[in-house]
Amino acid sequence: ETGVTQSPTHLIKTRGQQVTLRCSSQSGHNTVSWYQQALGQGPQFIFQYYREEENGRGNFPPRFSGLQFPNYSSELNVNALELDDSALYLCASSFGREDRGRTGANVLTFGAGSRLTVL
Amino acid sequence: RKEVEQDPGPFNVPEGATVAFNCTYSNSASQSFFWYRQDCRKEPKLLMSVYSSGNEDGRFTAQLNRASQYISLLIRDSKLSDSATYLCVVNHDRGSTLGRLYFGRGTQLTVWP
Repeated sequence: ETGVTQSPTHLIKTRGQQVTLRCSSQSGHNTVSWYQQALGQGPQFIFQYYREEENGRGNFPPRFSGLQFPNYSSELNVNALELDDSALYLCASSFGREDRGRTGANVLTFGAGSRLTVL
Repeated sequence: RKEVEQDPGPFNVPEGATVAFNCTYSNSASQSFFWYRQDCRKEPKLLMSVYSSGNEDGRFTAQLNRASQYISLLIRDSKLSDSATYLCVVNHDRGSTLGRLYFGRGTQLTVWP
């Protein structure tokens, strides 16, 4: 069983640029959530995808967008990068609501993250 | 007001010490509660879920007080390997896919020899 993998692990961009981060979910998981973790803070929910549809969004502007593919992998896109976007971006996968009763259904599995620096 | 409030510490304790972390949450509709552990520059990993009756996993004991909206984690006989940041986490999505978690900012623990 493979875990959650994210790419790239590190990247540096400049203000105004665009970035795409990628995530492969754990085998058997059909739900992907994205979190932003600034230095010294806890992760903040960006949005979640379930079966290729957005299923909830946190307090992030529209320049943060995402996709989920039929194989349940996902992308996070950020346009018009700002300095404050510098953070660790975490992807987490989980079972869907149809699996709510199974063992481990309430567990999020996080990837190692993509560390973005905006200069 | 933040969803989850935690004392950021740092807590510096000797090996063998007992240390307790606390957090409070603001939404009385919160359904699920967790402690996650995060090592430096790594991803968060689930340490344990927290149940209303309290639960124990080896040296770790978690307690939940719904009336006070308060969660605690007790670590007994601290080991050097317990050094990490401990994140208090709640979820209040009722009947939906678990995914939107609210994290505290974390409490940093350093265990010294």
